Amino acid sequence: AQSVSQHNHHVILSEAASLELGCNYSYGGTVNLFWYVQYPGQHLQLLLKYFSGDPLVKGIKGFEAEFIKSKFSFNLRKPSVQWSDTAEYFCAVNARGGADGLTFGKGTHLIIQP
Amino acid sequence: GAVVSQHPSRVICKSGTSVKIECRSLDFQATTMFWYRQFPKKSLMLMATSNEGSKATYEQGVEKDKFLINHASLTLSTLTVTSAHPEDSSFYICSAVPTTSAVTDTQYFGPGTRLTVL
Repeated sequence: AQSVSQHNHHVILSEAASLELGCNYSYGGTVNLFWYVQYPGQHLQLLLKYFSGDPLVKGIKGFEAEFIKSKFSFNLRKPSVQWSDTAEYFCAVNARGGADGLTFGKGTHLIIQP
Repeated sequence: GAVVSQHPSRVICKSGTSVKIECRSLDFQATTMFWYRQFPKKSLMLMATSNEGSKATYEQGVEKDKFLINHASLTLSTLTVTSAHPEDSSFYICSAVPTTSAVTDTQYFGPGTRLTVL
């Protein structure tokens, strides 16, 4: 079975600060990795995903994430956050090539102070 | 594109009644849809995988007789919470995978349905 661990449950930053949210997963096989964002009152939206290839993936809104296989990690980064980045961020994983739904981490509530 | 809707967005019902939640893919066909449950302050938990034309696959610990899933067309899956009790109160979210994608490709999420059982 898969599991996903997000280390930071609540993060408060000032605008223009750099952001890194940790995500580690546990699974014995090859996985697909995702970061989703949920803005207040809105749907889950895909920020970025990693299936294979370049382990540094770029997503929407200036976000990027790096897959480090040896550490089973897929940390999310943004060099300079904005007030509009205030949201809940979820890391998720599923097995590559299977028919599984996603296993989510518990989420990180990010608050950006103006 | 890739819009998923859910209806209703909120529902309040009495204990013992059944509630049906619809999940529709509006601009694409989806052979596979997923149902998740989100508890307050907690993550989304996969409940079941819904495949058009076949029986749903339920995750361990999810009662299939309590959470009935029907995926009768390529754009509609329904989740019926039967004989609802207060502990079933939660936020239910569906997602859909476009038929043209591999199953493990991007899932598009609905806005969720808030169920409150009195």
